[in-house]
This record gives sequence, C-alpha cells and structure tokens, in this order.
Amino acid sequence: GDSVTQTEGLVTLTEGLPVMLNCTYQTIYSNPFLFWYVQHLNESPRLLLKSFTDNKRTEHQGFHATLHKSSSSFHLQKSSAQLSDSALYYCALSLSNNRIFFGDGTQLVVKP
Amino acid sequence: ETAVFQTPNYHVTQVGNEVSFNCKQTLGHDTMYWYKQDSKKLLKIMFSYNNKQLIVNETVPRRFSPQSSDKAHLNLRIKSVEPEDSAVYLCASSDSYEQYFGPGTRLTVL
Repeated sequence: GDSVTQTEGLVTLTEGLPVMLNCTYQTIYSNPFLFWYVQHLNESPRLLLKSFTDNKRTEHQGFHATLHKSSSSFHLQKSSAQLSDSALYYCALSLSNNRIFFGDGTQLVVKP
Repeated sequence: ETAVFQTPNYHVTQVGNEVSFNCKQTLGHDTMYWYKQDSKKLLKIMFSYNNKQLIVNETVPRRFSPQSSDKAHLNLRIKSVEPEDSAVYLCASSDSYEQYFGPGTRLTVL
C-alpha cells in the first residue's frame, strides 16, 4: 500500500553542520506530491517544502529537497543547521482523492 | 483573516464523558481533516471529509464521529472518552494537496 518512511526518529547535531533527513515513499501512483512539514514546540505543523516534479530541487527558508521518483525519495537537506531549526519534521505523500500519508516524523535537535 | 480555527484549546474530562471539538476554516477549501497526534508525536489521520464524501480511517474507534454543517466546519465528537484518547487533535483543511493545520485541541482524560 501507500506509505512514507522516515528512518530516523531523532537526529542530533551541532550548529553549523549540514542537515539531512531521510524520506522514502511507496506508491503505485505515478504523480505523487511530496511534502515536508515542520512542527516547532507547542505549535501545529506547517508546510516547509513541496514538490511534484521529478529531479527538480525545491528550496525554502534555507532547506531544500529534490523529488527522485527513480528511488522514491524526497530527502530534506540544509547546508548549515541553526539552533532555531530544532523541531519535528514530517515527510508526507499526497495522492489524488485527498489521500495523504505522513511519516512517523524526525525530531531534529541542534545543539550549540 | 483566513486560517483554520479550533476550539477549545484544552479540555480535561473524565472517562466515559462525551466531548465535542469545533473546527472552522476560512480558506475556502473543499476538504477538511481530523488528525490525532499522540504522546509520541505520531500523526494519525482519523477522517477526511468534503461535501461529497466522508472517508474514515478504519482503525478509528466507533466512539469517534465527525459532524459537518457545511464545507467550512468539521467538528469531532467523542461519545465516551477513554484514557487512550488523551492526545492533541488537529484539524486541517486542504486545497487538494497541501494541508493547513489549526492550532489543535489538547484532550486530557482522567
């Protein structure tokens, strides 16, 4: 069935180091939409990035991701982590007929 | 202001009581959702609803039911709460793909 896998439950790194959060998905649908949502403490999730175009890099607020349909991946990256990036990150797959699937989330902790 | 609004922010109740949470969106979207976010921060979709179709996650207990008066409102009723219902309930609306979340309602069942 359709699903999203985020392999890391917790990622801890030092400020200034690069960030990479993994996301892979499974679907037979040929035109999936992929999203990254970010949830800061005591807030609700909000959209960070989205893409439906194969092999095209999308960027927002210093983060970037590229949808690779060949590998069913949509990894989130940032060149240099900031303390304010500490949050919970969800990868999500959206299909037609309003079907949406969230990964289990990755908690990113950035330390000084 | 266009957004997703939820009331109440918090609710504390006892096992067996009935509760109801309200959600309103002013974004003009056709589809609304209810999610449960548990203590482990897992986001579980409970219902999706537009003016044509209600989709229920089959794992949702029958004591949960959505109630809609129009496409801008989708309330959540829990008939007889259980301890495991303690969670944050998030309402969202969608323009077919992107989710816009409300601030959430935190439910504590004693």
